[in-house]
Amino acid sequence: AQSVAQPEDQVNVAEGNPLTVKCTYSVSGNPYLFWYVQYPNRGLQFLLKYITGDNLVKGSYGFEAEFNKSQTSFHLKKPSALVSDSALYFCAASSGGSYIPTFGRGTSLIVHP
Amino acid sequence: GAVVSQHPSWVICKSGTSVKIECRSLDFQATTMFWYRQFPKQSLMLMATSNEGSKATYEQGVEKDKFLINHASLTLSTLTVTSAHPEDSSFYICSASGGGGTGLYEQYFGPGTRLTVT
Repeated sequence: AQSVAQPEDQVNVAEGNPLTVKCTYSVSGNPYLFWYVQYPNRGLQFLLKYITGDNLVKGSYGFEAEFNKSQTSFHLKKPSALVSDSALYFCAASSGGSYIPTFGRGTSLIVHP
Repeated sequence: GAVVSQHPSWVICKSGTSVKIECRSLDFQATTMFWYRQFPKQSLMLMATSNEGSKATYEQGVEKDKFLINHASLTLSTLTVTSAHPEDSSFYICSASGGGGTGLYEQYFGPGTRLTVT
């Protein structure tokens, strides 16, 4: 069975500082990895995905994520955080063996002014 | 990106009544639609997956007779909560994917429906 872990319930960072939201996964076969963001009382918005190719994936709003096969990780990063980045972030994984994605529990990112 | 609408955005109903939630993909054909339930400050709980023209596949523990899902076309899926009870109160979110079941494609999410059963 595939699984996704987001070990941090909450990440706090000061505006202007770099941010990292962690995600590790377990799937059978090659992973398809996604990051989504959810603002309060809204649905999720797609940020970026890794299917194949370069390990560093760039996405919306200046976010990027690095696929690390040996560590089975797909951490979300941004060089300089904004207060408006404060939201709930979800990592998700699927694979050729199971197209239905599994979501992590979510990480609340709080960016302080 | 692709747009998915969900209607209504919020609904209050009395215990014992049924509520229908619509999910539409506005500018692409959604071969697969997903229905999730989200509790406050918690992750998404996948309820069911539906492919156009076929019966929905429900996750373990989800009552298919209570949560009726219909995916009649490539742009519309509906979730009907039958004989709703207060414990059904939640935030329901749909998503759509054009991936044809390959898992390669991202999901596009609706804005969610807040259901309150009194």
